[in-house]
Amino acid sequence: NAGVMQNPRHLVRRRGQEARLRCSPMKGHSHVYWYRQLPEEGLKFMVYLQKENIIDESGMPKERFSAEFPKEGPSILRIQQVVRGDSAAYFCASSQRDNEKLFFGSGTQLSVL
Amino acid sequence: SQQGEEDPQALSIQEGENATMNCSYKTSINNLQWYRQNSGRGLVHLILIRSNEREKHSGRLRVTLDTSKKSSSLLITASRAADTASYFCATDNGSEKLVFGKGMKLTVNP
Repeated sequence: NAGVMQNPRHLVRRRGQEARLRCSPMKGHSHVYWYRQLPEEGLKFMVYLQKENIIDESGMPKERFSAEFPKEGPSILRIQQVVRGDSAAYFCASSQRDNEKLFFGSGTQLSVL
Repeated sequence: SQQGEEDPQALSIQEGENATMNCSYKTSINNLQWYRQNSGRGLVHLILIRSNEREKHSGRLRVTLDTSKKSSSLLITASRAADTASYFCATDNGSEKLVFGKGMKLTVNP
């Protein structure tokens, strides 16, 4: 019973490129959350999705950022035209019910050069 | 917006001692959760306490919740070097997301 899988583990992009972060939730989980973490800081909520629906995207910048959780396949967090300030660890979590126990992936460390 | 705030921000103790971490929050909650994060890894869920509960135990962990003071504490008894990590509280305040505090760094010296 695999846990939450995120890939890639590390992603290096140059300014202006696109970053695509993938997250496969735990089997049987239909709730997916994306969080962003800067060094020595807590997690900042970005977006909450259920299959094919964005439930809450209040923490995600309106420009350049988008997220999806299609019927088939992993959830994708997409950052277009990355800037240095996008450098951070991005964590995905899943749960069976909203706001109950979250299971986290190991994160994707995005570095923008 | 930040909901939970952990206190102290950093704690260093000797193996075998108890560690107590506090979390204060601002709005009413449905539940409060504690998570642990080892360096460079994802968070691991430790314990969930609901708003109608006052105390909960899980192994060496004891969590209390005082809704009148809007605060919670996490006690780790008989600490071990392997307990060295960052600890976060997270609150469910009825919005459709958990809001995390900034975390508290615990160092347990062997």
